[in-house]
Amino acid sequence: RKEVEQDPGPFNVPEGATVAFNCTYSNSASQSFFWYRQDCRKEPKLLMSVYSSGNEDGRFTAQLNRASQYISLLIRDSKLSDSATYLCAVLLGYNQGGKLIFGQGTELSVKP
Amino acid sequence: GAGVSQTPSNKVTEKGKYVELRCDPISGHTALYWYRQSLGQGPEFLIYFQGTGAADDSGLPNDRFFAVRPEGSVSTLKIQRTERGDSAVYLCASSLLAGTGETQYFGPGTRLLVL
Repeated sequence: RKEVEQDPGPFNVPEGATVAFNCTYSNSASQSFFWYRQDCRKEPKLLMSVYSSGNEDGRFTAQLNRASQYISLLIRDSKLSDSATYLCAVLLGYNQGGKLIFGQGTELSVKP
Repeated sequence: GAGVSQTPSNKVTEKGKYVELRCDPISGHTALYWYRQSLGQGPEFLIYFQGTGAADDSGLPNDRFFAVRPEGSVSTLKIQRTERGDSAVYLCASSLLAGTGETQYFGPGTRLLVL
């Protein structure tokens, strides 16, 4: 089983749609959680960190469920410019390496 | 300010050759990470440095891969006797410190193609 698994894509949605991505992680010692966005042939860029209380940034909402070892990303009112691959990432923490473990990514395509 | 830079942006080499990939982190960042990303996959951790020392090299696939960061800033990833399976995008990232809550900022990557 992979350490971090994401919904397989691609997701093809019309403009204005709401789309949700899910991600599960296997290591209960995971400390920090992130969503990255990666455009084609570009580097991953941090979209948002994910906090236990949940957090929102404009049209984007991230949730963490530690009991189920699950994180999610909700995008409301999708824009064409949201088309990209979304990567969830888990940080094991300093004592376990400080390394990010990524899911395989979920591709989103927003159509007019 | 300047972000993470990587050179070369593209590298084509022949099987069996030696390659060096360079990463210049954000100024002041003490932690530096190397990842490898194959097509359709997320980045895969290789090694990270806290200062000059390799704090975790558990992701290096075998002893053909080696990385250094002699002065705690620029890092070089070295691959000996390259194989076709080494073809991937090699990403470097840096963060102010290593560990919980620190954002890692990625460079544009080096696309390595081994023929």
